[in-house]
Amino acid sequence: LAKTTQPISMDSYEGQEVNITCSHNNIATNDYITWYQQFPSQGPRFIIQGYKTKVTNEVASLFIPADRKSSTLSLPRVSLSDTAVYYCLVGPGNRDDKIIFGKGTRLHILP
Amino acid sequence: GAGVSQSPRYKVAKRGQDVALRCDPISGHVSLFWYQQALGQGPEFLTYFQNEAQLDKSGLPSDRFFAERPEGSVSTLKIQRTQQEDSAVYLCASSLGEGGFGYTFGSGTRLTVV
Repeated sequence: LAKTTQPISMDSYEGQEVNITCSHNNIATNDYITWYQQFPSQGPRFIIQGYKTKVTNEVASLFIPADRKSSTLSLPRVSLSDTAVYYCLVGPGNRDDKIIFGKGTRLHILP
Repeated sequence: GAGVSQSPRYKVAKRGQDVALRCDPISGHVSLFWYQQALGQGPEFLTYFQNEAQLDKSGLPSDRFFAERPEGSVSTLKIQRTQQEDSAVYLCASSLGEGGFGYTFGSGTRLTVV
């Protein structure tokens, strides 16, 4: 399973766009990139997944360059409720497998 | 149900006591995972079931930890002779089994061993 590296923590202000970059140099051809969000006292929650280029949903956008060795999660116009830990994960898209979580990125949104 | 349900939500055990943690996955979900999350850390994989088969138990930290899913739905994680280092949140996740890491997690059981 490919290992990922992401910043330990980030601070931002309400209304700003936040970009969290994750590196995954050893990503395999059939691997997908998935991001989870975790609030205190809750389990992780799936927010977005992609294979290449750009994916957008109602919560976030995910940008993946052509070499797929990194990805950027973009949260538009954050609010205080976006304060959470964000995990970048890489793994096969065609079968279930154990998720190897790192420490994630602790995002603090300030008023 | 609509989500993954875990019970109890909180458990306090005296050191040496046995505990059983329950996970009710989403109906029809084939895959079920257990994770252990210490304070300030990411979840650590414990074990994985596909239906009733335990395909991977490489993350169980010792033989005091045992998991089962006898009918391929509800799962129980049992910890025997609990130790203080077992204090953590135990998370359960399930999925349809089609890959892609689109797993649904429960809110976890917070175990405190005193």
